[in-house]
Amino acid sequence: GEDVEQSLFLSVREGDSSVINCTYTDSSSTYLYWYKQEPGAGLQLLTYIFSNMDMKQDQRLTVLLNKKDKHLSLRIADTQTGDSAIYFCAETLNTGGFKTIFGAGTRLFVKA
Amino acid sequence: EAQVTQNPRYLITVTGKKLTVTCSQNMNHEYMSWYRQDPGLGLRQIYYSMNVEVTDKGDVPEGYKVSRKEKRNFPLILESPSPNQTSLYFCASSPSRTGELFFGEGSRLTVL
Repeated sequence: GEDVEQSLFLSVREGDSSVINCTYTDSSSTYLYWYKQEPGAGLQLLTYIFSNMDMKQDQRLTVLLNKKDKHLSLRIADTQTGDSAIYFCAETLNTGGFKTIFGAGTRLFVKA
Repeated sequence: EAQVTQNPRYLITVTGKKLTVTCSQNMNHEYMSWYRQDPGLGLRQIYYSMNVEVTDKGDVPEGYKVSRKEKRNFPLILESPSPNQTSLYFCASSPSRTGELFFGEGSRLTVL
């Protein structure tokens, strides 16, 4: 079945770059998303990429998509303590329903 | 302010006592969905709705019911809660089938 996998933890120093990786299985996905969850809150959309794109840049965020390997990454430049959160990779499926598959989430720790 | 509102935010109940978690959105979105979040498993979809009176099962629908009588509301019903339904629940809405999900703040449910 469909699956999205990502590592569970990442620790970086303030000012360094963070790279969070994700692999997905459904090649028919139209959109791939990164959501951010801060403690005690719901998820908020961070950025997304269309499946026909290879890269998208949005200020400190860079998303890379390798469709051949079904690999998605999120790079956060100049990581700040305020970036500490859980980051979820997600894909929407072209099944005719309303279905988004989420990874388990990567908890990012930023050390001052 | 555009938002998705869930109630209650926290609930402790006992096995077998029926409960309803309400979800309301003020963005006129057609698409709504319920997820549960468990450690290490990410978000799993319980049920979704693509319009009024149109609902369908997600990946983990057992033990849950939903209804969509009005566009803005999508309540989640646990007819006979069991301890394995102890979880953090999120309601989300979207303007399109593959669009951004707007999440509520979550409802933490404990079933004793």
